Amino acid sequence: DVKVTQSSRYLVKRTGEKVFLECVQDMDHENMFWYRQDPGLGLRLIYFSYDVKMKEKGDIPEGYSVSREKKERFSLILESASTNQTSMYLCASTQAGQGSNEQFFGPGTRLTVL
Amino acid sequence: SQQGEEDPQALSIQEGENATMNCSYKTSINNLQWYRQNSGRGLVHLILIRSNEREKHSGRLRVTLDTSKKSSSLLITASRAADTASYFCATDAYNFNKFYFGSGTKLNVKP
Repeated sequence: DVKVTQSSRYLVKRTGEKVFLECVQDMDHENMFWYRQDPGLGLRLIYFSYDVKMKEKGDIPEGYSVSREKKERFSLILESASTNQTSMYLCASTQAGQGSNEQFFGPGTRLTVL
Repeated sequence: SQQGEEDPQALSIQEGENATMNCSYKTSINNLQWYRQNSGRGLVHLILIRSNEREKHSGRLRVTLDTSKKSSSLLITASRAADTASYFCATDAYNFNKFYFGSGTKLNVKP
């Protein structure tokens, strides 16, 4: 059974803390994505990666960075968490190549920044 | 700006009825996908329709695509309480490796 896992379902952090959100996929997918989901705004792409050590900014990269040291793992980093980063964070992966393959999503991490 | 927009934002129906939700997008696409999200969970892929296809079926799901109107619809026939979820369309207008999601239609199926 294919799987995308995220390190935490719920996370509470304080303003100014450094936060790490981990995502692991077991499908040998080349592409991995981080989204945030807010009510009324749908899913917005933060960063994506199409290969190890490669990354590209999405639509809302400000305040975030990412790391992809291994193919199966894609980390989202909040360098200094702020209250406006309180959100649901979703990781996804797909195979590479044309045709816009199906995205497989993790269960999400609901982050609260106090 | 968002590529896909679903309509209506919320839909409430009785079990056994059909549910129709629509998606509009702004620029040319290669294909369009529909996803489902149960409350507080990740998204699950339902169906993909390519830009050269007009209709596609999968079980109780029927998707249509009208590229001239830049719109798609998802029909769920004979709905069940278990279909209660949010439904999202996703397009890939600018880049094969990037997807753009709408804000979703929240479907409530009453038993």
